[in-house]
Amino acid sequence: DTAVSQTPKYLVTQMGNDKSIKCEQNLGHDTMYWYKQDSKKFLKIMFSYNNKELIINETVPNRFSPKSPDKAHLNLHINSLELGDSAVYFCASSRLRLEQYFGPGTRLTVT
Amino acid sequence: ELKVEQNPLFLSMQEGKNYTIYCNYSTTSDRLYWYRQDPGKSLESLFVLLSNGAVKQEGRLMASLDTKARLSTLHITAAVHDLSATYFCAVDQGETSGSRLTFGEGTQLTVNP
Repeated sequence: DTAVSQTPKYLVTQMGNDKSIKCEQNLGHDTMYWYKQDSKKFLKIMFSYNNKELIINETVPNRFSPKSPDKAHLNLHINSLELGDSAVYFCASSRLRLEQYFGPGTRLTVT
Repeated sequence: ELKVEQNPLFLSMQEGKNYTIYCNYSTTSDRLYWYRQDPGKSLESLFVLLSNGAVKQEGRLMASLDTKARLSTLHITAAVHDLSATYFCAVDQGETSGSRLTFGEGTQLTVNP
């Protein structure tokens, strides 16, 4: 059984489009995260939700908007995509302050 | 702002050899994690280090944490090809920060026959 799943796995789209990435966890965790991994493999936190409440909101463009409909789901919507948004986006989940489990990643390519 | 530095960033070693990867961080923290990432794959948790002096071992890998020196090490013993991957350390900035993890740049390890 997949613990943290993301869809889609690959996303190729043109500049200016709007896209969403979905994440679901079946681990019973109360905290979920979005990370961005750039082409140099550097990982940076973007957002975190604890029990559906936003607790981490890093300095990212406001074109990125997370939504957590319930504790098991955290989605990421991106408006007006730009070339620089191309990256791998990882969802993760944990009990707060404990080990984070990562999803398989979504490779976003903006052309 | 917390900074996490790993060295080396690239490591090429022969099978059977030993080596250590270092992770230094700039502010106080009591939690540090090590992750492994294979090419094109997700991050796999290796070790969770929760206190000063913590030492964890799994197979040919051993991790330690010195919170006073703000240093963690990942020691590789008698390397084998299967250990080839990128290794990340990540430092928890604490509950007031929402338990955000700050990652090091990663150490790309290649083990040659």
